[in-house]
Amino acid sequence: NAGVMQNPRHLVRRRGQEARLRCSPMKGHSHVYWYRQLPEEGLKFMVYLQKENIIDESGMPKERFSAEFPKEGPSILRIQQVVRGDSAAYFCASSAFTGDYEQYFGPGTRLTVT
Amino acid sequence: TQLLEQSPQFLSIQEGENLTVYCNSSSVFSSLQWYRQEPGEGPVLLVTVVTGGEVKKLKRLTFQFGDARKDSSLHITAAQPGDTGLYLCAGVTGNQFYFGTGTSLTVIP
Repeated sequence: NAGVMQNPRHLVRRRGQEARLRCSPMKGHSHVYWYRQLPEEGLKFMVYLQKENIIDESGMPKERFSAEFPKEGPSILRIQQVVRGDSAAYFCASSAFTGDYEQYFGPGTRLTVT
Repeated sequence: TQLLEQSPQFLSIQEGENLTVYCNSSSVFSSLQWYRQEPGEGPVLLVTVVTGGEVKKLKRLTFQFGDARKDSSLHITAAQPGDTGLYLCAGVTGNQFYFGTGTSLTVIP
């Protein structure tokens, strides 16, 4: 019974490159949340998606960041033209249905921008 | 922005001691959750409290939701080294989960 999977676990990018973070939700889950965690700041909500729909992206920076959850395949968080301030741990979580408060988190992707 | 403040930020205690962690906000939430996170891993859900004044127990952990649904506490009895970790509270409103900054607990054998 696989849990939420994220890859890669560690990602190093140079300033200006693109970062693609992948999240496969738990089997049977169709809702995905993305969070960013910085030391001293805690987990910050970024975006909430269902299959093929962005439900709430109020926590997503307006530029350079985008997210998708296609009908087939994992959810992707894409960061274009990365800057050092993007260095953080990015977590995704999945849940089974709207209003389901039980989120299951993946192990995270640690992004380092050099 | 819905702000949740946790206190203390850091806590180091001896095995066998009791402790309480607090999670406070000026906002009302439909429910509140507690998570534990270990280094290099994602948070793991411990409990969800929904009703104001609700108390839930999970072995040596007792969780309480404030009457006004703005605050919560986590009490650990007879702490053990395995309790070491980062404890996060999260307030739930609509589709969003607002996380506190966390309490880093170290239990010394």
